[in-house]
Amino acid sequence: EADIYQTPRYLVIGTGKKITLECSQTMGHDKMYWYQQDPGMELHLIHYSYGVNSTEKGDLSSESTVSRIRTEHFPLTLESARPSHTSQYLCASTLNEKLFFGSGTQLSVL
Amino acid sequence: DAKTTQPTSMDCAEGRAANLPCNHSTISGNEYVYWYRQIHSQGPQYIIHGLKNNETNEMASLIITEDRKSSTLILPHATLRDTAVYYCIAIGGYQKVTFGIGTKLQVIP
Repeated sequence: EADIYQTPRYLVIGTGKKITLECSQTMGHDKMYWYQQDPGMELHLIHYSYGVNSTEKGDLSSESTVSRIRTEHFPLTLESARPSHTSQYLCASTLNEKLFFGSGTQLSVL
Repeated sequence: DAKTTQPTSMDCAEGRAANLPCNHSTISGNEYVYWYRQIHSQGPQYIIHGLKNNETNEMASLIITEDRKSSTLILPHATLRDTAVYYCIAIGGYQKVTFGIGTKLQVIP
């Protein structure tokens, strides 16, 4: 089993709030990813990192930001949540190209 | 990463082999073929990968054509729990990992 953890599992929050979705892995993987997925729809890459102090935007434009200060930690932040941010957010880390996913955070912005 | 093409959906009878095709005609020499599946809203799960030889593990078999332009994932005895979206990805080196639409496999009782 992969040791990658996401918190919270579910989050319901009001418009305008600042939120941080946590993602941690204990496998020492350099590469980490954030994906966004709506029900029944495609997985979209929104951010990725190849290691400490490395962050890149993915294929889908996102108003979120990420940081990678430590190898094991890759948090995603929304400065001001909006209803359009309602979605599932999945974090993954990889050794080579074999991805390990967390359980996801289901975000609902009211 | 090389673009892959998969059928949008497939049905398979329970107990039968499910053969899921994938075209990756622009694959380069250092790119592997990876297969993942996603059940409901869980994170995708790794199934198998290969470079040019056929591969088999406890979950599935992967058949890659000699020219490497296409591959087939085989689930030898499909069960209802194999109903999922299956993704084929061709990737290598320090490329970012992106997923397409995948194939929605429905296993029918």
